[in-house]
Amino acid sequence: EAGVAQSPRYKIIEKRQSVAFWCNPISGHATLYWYQQILGQGPKLLIQFQNNGVVDDSQLPKDRFSAERLKGVDSTLKIQPAKLEDSAVYLCASSPGVSYNSPLHFGNGTRLTVT
Amino acid sequence: QQQVKQSPQSLIVQKGGISIINCAYENTAFDYFPWYQQFPGKGPALLIAIRPDVSEKKEGRFTISFNKSAKQFSLHIMDSQPGDSATYFCAARKTSGSRLTFGEGTQLTVNP
Repeated sequence: EAGVAQSPRYKIIEKRQSVAFWCNPISGHATLYWYQQILGQGPKLLIQFQNNGVVDDSQLPKDRFSAERLKGVDSTLKIQPAKLEDSAVYLCASSPGVSYNSPLHFGNGTRLTVT
Repeated sequence: QQQVKQSPQSLIVQKGGISIINCAYENTAFDYFPWYQQFPGKGPALLIAIRPDVSEKKEGRFTISFNKSAKQFSLHIMDSQPGDSATYFCAARKTSGSRLTFGEGTQLTVNP
């Protein structure tokens, strides 16, 4: 099966600019996640979708971050305006269900550098 | 609040040796503990997972040991190989439904 696709792979922007990341999950996977992985740290959940509804966005900085999942398939994550501390790898993951043991399948991420 | 603490931060072992990575959790409601493996430039991938109703789970060269009373669990990699060089993350969640909380990661290097 094809894996989780993410684009772009790398992005360099200046602070206060905006940026968007795109994710295409594995076909048929109902659950989609966006994680932020700061260098040297574990992934931190930003938002979880079940189909096109939000399940958990409690750790999403909503004053600058937004995400949507179109028609329950593709998703975009936007940052506006970006801050220096947003420099990180943004990982998209999908899973076939919401069961606790439903494995997360991660994409290779988008590395964001904010200067 | 860091709910899953992982150690060591980095680990170097010789080929054929045993790699041991430890994790401790605070939330007693956690009852599902997966380990993820991440190679440079790639996303994490599920390696092995355990629930607290067993004290040990083995899959090939990878074993999870679980100590419920101490709220600790560890990953043992037997006969470590250079191809095992990667960053390993422990994680925890509640089976009733909660976000997966990751540890800080351990960068493992296996020298040939």
